[in-house]
Amino acid sequence: GENVEQHPSTLSVQEGDSAVIKCTYSDSASNYFPWYKQELGKGPQLIIDIRSNVGEKKDQRIAVTLNKTAKHFSLHITETQPEDSAVYFCAASLSSGGYQKVTFGIGTKLQVIP
Amino acid sequence: EPEVTQTPSHQVTQMGQEVILRCVPISNHLYFYWYRQILGQKVEFLVSFYNNEISEKSEIFDDQFSVERPDGSNFTLKIRSTKLEDSAMYFCASSGTGSERTQYFGPGTRLLVL
Repeated sequence: GENVEQHPSTLSVQEGDSAVIKCTYSDSASNYFPWYKQELGKGPQLIIDIRSNVGEKKDQRIAVTLNKTAKHFSLHITETQPEDSAVYFCAASLSSGGYQKVTFGIGTKLQVIP
Repeated sequence: EPEVTQTPSHQVTQMGQEVILRCVPISNHLYFYWYRQILGQKVEFLVSFYNNEISEKSEIFDDQFSVERPDGSNFTLKIRSTKLEDSAMYFCASSGTGSERTQYFGPGTRLLVL
């Protein structure tokens, strides 16, 4: 089955700096890569996603890159703000019969220091 | 904005008791999922459900677990005889059809088995 590795496990940055979280996946058939933000006591919330036919996607301060050959994908947050502090999960997914079984990484706890 | 809801938010039960966790998926979604997250660990896939049957289940989803869509809106996870190691956060998710298969997560139910 799919295995997703994520690092770092914790990340502290100064407000305004950039944060980068990196993930690798094992199953070359995976074709959808969502990123989730989880705030304390809440469920994972989708913040951005990328499909295997795209190499990069950007949404305001958040960007994601995908290298299918190397099976790497990364999340970049620019101009970080204290409200970006949360746990971020990368995930890899394979569309199978209409549903997607999502495999999560271990998570990165991001702390933005004011 | 439509969202997935879950009840209860917290559940405390004695070992060996049955629990039912409830979810109301987004109304036009047809694929439903349960995940669990043991404290400090990654989110793990339990089961996916479509057209009133299980599409896929993980090795965690043993005979003590069952899922049901008792009516047009609810989706439930039942644990027949809870064990201490079932203590976790349980998340329900739902997704649509066609190219839009992003999974949207509910806020979770924190289950504590004593």
